[in-house]
Amino acid sequence: KQEVTQIPAALSVPEGENLVLNCSFTDSAIYNLQWFRQDPGKGLTSLLLIQSSQREQTSGRLNASLDKSSGRSTLYIAASQPGDSATYLCAVDGANSKLTFGKGITLSVRP
Amino acid sequence: NAGVMQNPRHLVRRRGQEARLRCSPMKGHSHVYWYRQLPEEGLKFMVYLQKENIIDESGMPKERFSAEFPKEGPSILRIQQVVRGDSAAYFCASSRTSGTYNEQFFGPGTRLTVL
Repeated sequence: KQEVTQIPAALSVPEGENLVLNCSFTDSAIYNLQWFRQDPGKGLTSLLLIQSSQREQTSGRLNASLDKSSGRSTLYIAASQPGDSATYLCAVDGANSKLTFGKGITLSVRP
Repeated sequence: NAGVMQNPRHLVRRRGQEARLRCSPMKGHSHVYWYRQLPEEGLKFMVYLQKENIIDESGMPKERFSAEFPKEGPSILRIQQVVRGDSAAYFCASSRTSGTYNEQFFGPGTRLTVL
């Protein structure tokens, strides 16, 4: 059974800092991994999808990497801004089209 | 291109009533997924549907819950005889395909409160 872990559960950083959010998963037989952002009381916004054959994906200030063999992914956020404050969720698709989610990391970027 | 739409956004029911949650996928998407987010817990998969077919319902509670995605119209998640433990946010997602590039796009969710 796939399990996805995101540690720490919460993170507070000053504006401008570069930061790394971690995600680990137990079963390396995955199709892809997605990173999402969730604002309080809102839905999920897809940030990046990395296919199992890829090592990383980039979108603007975001870069996500995938190391399937070790069961790890990281989301790198460059030059963080207060508007980046949200909960970041990692989810893996274990070749059956259903996503298994971590519990998320709640990020607070202080002005 | 409109995103995934869900309605209602908020739904209040008394114990024993029925709840119907609707989801319209993005244009061109024929795969629909329902997830539930309980307070203080992560999102959990419930069911995966394509038009007129349930592909995987391994995350659905055995009783009181059902889902459909008819040929015409939105996908419906139906909860009969709701109990307080059903209070949660229910999210629908859709995708164009399955497979390695199965990017799922989520709706804003329906927040169900059972009194």
